[in-house]
Amino acid sequence: EVQLVESGGDLVQPGGSLRLSCTASGFSFSAYWMGWVRQAPGRGLEWVANINQHGSETHYIESGKGRFTISRDNAKNSLYLQMNSLRVEDTAVYYCAAGEGFIVGVHWGQGTLVTVSS
Amino acid sequence: DIVMTQSPDSLAVSLGERATFNCKSSQSVLSSSNNRNYLAWYQHKVGQPPKLLFSWASTRGSGVPDRFSASGSGTDFTLTISSLQAEDVAVYYCQQHYGSPITFGGGTKVEI
Repeated sequence: EVQLVESGGDLVQPGGSLRLSCTASGFSFSAYWMGWVRQAPGRGLEWVANINQHGSETHYIESGKGRFTISRDNAKNSLYLQMNSLRVEDTAVYYCAAGEGFIVGVHWGQGTLVTVSS
Repeated sequence: DIVMTQSPDSLAVSLGERATFNCKSSQSVLSSSNNRNYLAWYQHKVGQPPKLLFSWASTRGSGVPDRFSASGSGTDFTLTISSLQAEDVAVYYCQQHYGSPITFGGGTKVEI
């Protein structure tokens, strides 16, 4: 069974940092592009970042450039998102997704909630 | 950036009736090199993660019922549910996978 399990979501103050993690099982993790997609309260889906199979190519939403870093560890079947200088507008459920190229989500996790508030 | 615009924002359909909704991209997502449209559709139910319905504009995802169909090319795309079932209540999103930044449409909410 394919599983993606996110962790690391929390309440954090503006300007703070969080590291999200996603652990995969049930499929060949190293064969997939991986990414993060978020959904702010009452809003639609928004792509955040993705990374290729080897970790050599990354892409970010404009608002995340310089603040977010996506990385992966294929030996641990794990994906990460380091988020610094968090803003109130980063508040959202963050989904981990396994994709094919820029098809963001062939497989999805259940999501982890990030709340940025003072 | 490629802007994805979906219409309508919401749609109420009776059980067993057809539901059709649209997605328009601000520039073509049809590749001249391979003649493929880089357009995906997702279904997002409340309390669940999104589910891939179609990629490449009309390639059905795993386990997607055949009452769902997708079509279109270039900048204009359509998702159709031929006979709406109660379990189809969800928000449907299109997403261009032509290039970065990846962009989603705003979604169409389908209700009974």
